Amino acid sequence: EAQVTQNPRYLITVTGKKLTVTCSQNMNHEYMSWYRQDPGLGLRQIYYSMNVEVTDKGDVPEGYKVSRKEKRNFPLILESPSPNQTSLYFCASSSTKGGENTIYFGEGSWLTVV
Amino acid sequence: AQSVAQPEDQVNVAEGNPLTVKCTYSVSGNPYLFWYVQYPNRGLQFLLKYITGDNLVKGSYGFEAEFNKSQTSFHLKKPSALVSDSALYFCAVSPYSSASKIIFGSGTRLSIRP
Repeated sequence: EAQVTQNPRYLITVTGKKLTVTCSQNMNHEYMSWYRQDPGLGLRQIYYSMNVEVTDKGDVPEGYKVSRKEKRNFPLILESPSPNQTSLYFCASSSTKGGENTIYFGEGSWLTVV
Repeated sequence: AQSVAQPEDQVNVAEGNPLTVKCTYSVSGNPYLFWYVQYPNRGLQFLLKYITGDNLVKGSYGFEAEFNKSQTSFHLKKPSALVSDSALYFCAVSPYSSASKIIFGSGTRLSIRP
């Protein structure tokens, strides 16, 4: 089954304590990205990756880091979380092969920074 | 600037009646248009997409959307609403064939009353 898997699904952490949200996809997609969802703002892209070792900033990259060492994994790193990073985070993957053009999303990770 | 607008925060419809969720976009070139649905505590599920061809696109769960280039709109429709259609709906546009970047609207909450 095609899946994008995120962990953890729910996390409460304290300001300044580094955390990583993992993301893995089993569809061999070349494109992966991270979004955050906030009320009234829809989803905004944080970072994206077009392939292994290729990453770029999205619309709201401040306070986040990513890496793409393997095709299937795209972790989101918050080096020093702050309360304004409290949000619902989605990982996504996509491909253009075979005319796919569809983005698949993970189930989301609820992050609260206190 | 590229953007997607969903002018209604909430749409209320009686079960069995037709429903429309509005979406307009501002993207240069030929956009790729999507609708996603989000049920409570779940990720985003793909409903349908327009890439090219017939302006009326049919998708999952009986939904369809009509692409109108002159009005830059991509409204979501369903002939007969179900209570189970109640959810948060997002319109999205990708200016790139790769779907590596997707711009979301702010979302419309659809509420179907029995």
